[in-house]
Amino acid sequence: AQSVTQLGSHVSVSEGALVLLRCNYSSSVPPYLFWYVQYPNQGLQLLLKYTSAATLVKGINGFEAEFKKSETSFHLTKPSAHMSDAAEYFCAVSERNSGAGSYQLTFGKGTKLSVIP
Amino acid sequence: DAGVIQSPRHEVTEMGQEVTLRCKPISGHNSLFWYRQTMMRGLELLIYFNNNVPIDDSGMPEDRFSAKMPNASFSTLKIQPSEPRDSAVYFCASSPRVSQPQHFGDGTRLSIL
Repeated sequence: AQSVTQLGSHVSVSEGALVLLRCNYSSSVPPYLFWYVQYPNQGLQLLLKYTSAATLVKGINGFEAEFKKSETSFHLTKPSAHMSDAAEYFCAVSERNSGAGSYQLTFGKGTKLSVIP
Repeated sequence: DAGVIQSPRHEVTEMGQEVTLRCKPISGHNSLFWYRQTMMRGLELLIYFNNNVPIDDSGMPEDRFSAKMPNASFSTLKIQPSEPRDSAVYFCASSPRVSQPQHFGDGTRLSIL
């Protein structure tokens, strides 16, 4: 069974500082990996996705994530935080459930990012 | 291009009442997902459909919950009877195919008194 662990339910950074949000997953097969962002009172929006092509994935708003198979990690980074980055971020993993012939999608618990002026 | 449309945005009702949440997926998307989000449990997948057929409903909490997708452009999630512990934000999402990124609606904030 797959699972997703996001380390740190709350992360605070200063404006202009590096953003690092951690995500580790477990999966029995090569997974698809996603990062989503949720602003208050809104649904989730896709930031970026990994689908077995390049291991370094670039997303919207200057975010990127690196797939490291040896560490089973998919951490999200941004070189310089902006006030508008304050939101909740979700890591998600999707893998094909070969027995059932369906895909199983699992979200992490989320990390709330605060940006301090 | 319209995104996923959910209605109502907010619903407040008394326990025991029937609640129906509605979702219109993005045109051309073959997969539709219902989620529930709470502070305690985070984001939970309740059920998903592929080509209007329910594929995995293992996340549906109990028999009081039911979901239908009568056609490619409409789905409902029904709770009958509702209970206070059902209070949450319910999201609908759709994707072109089940393995591809999902597009989320803005959610329905449900409060059961």
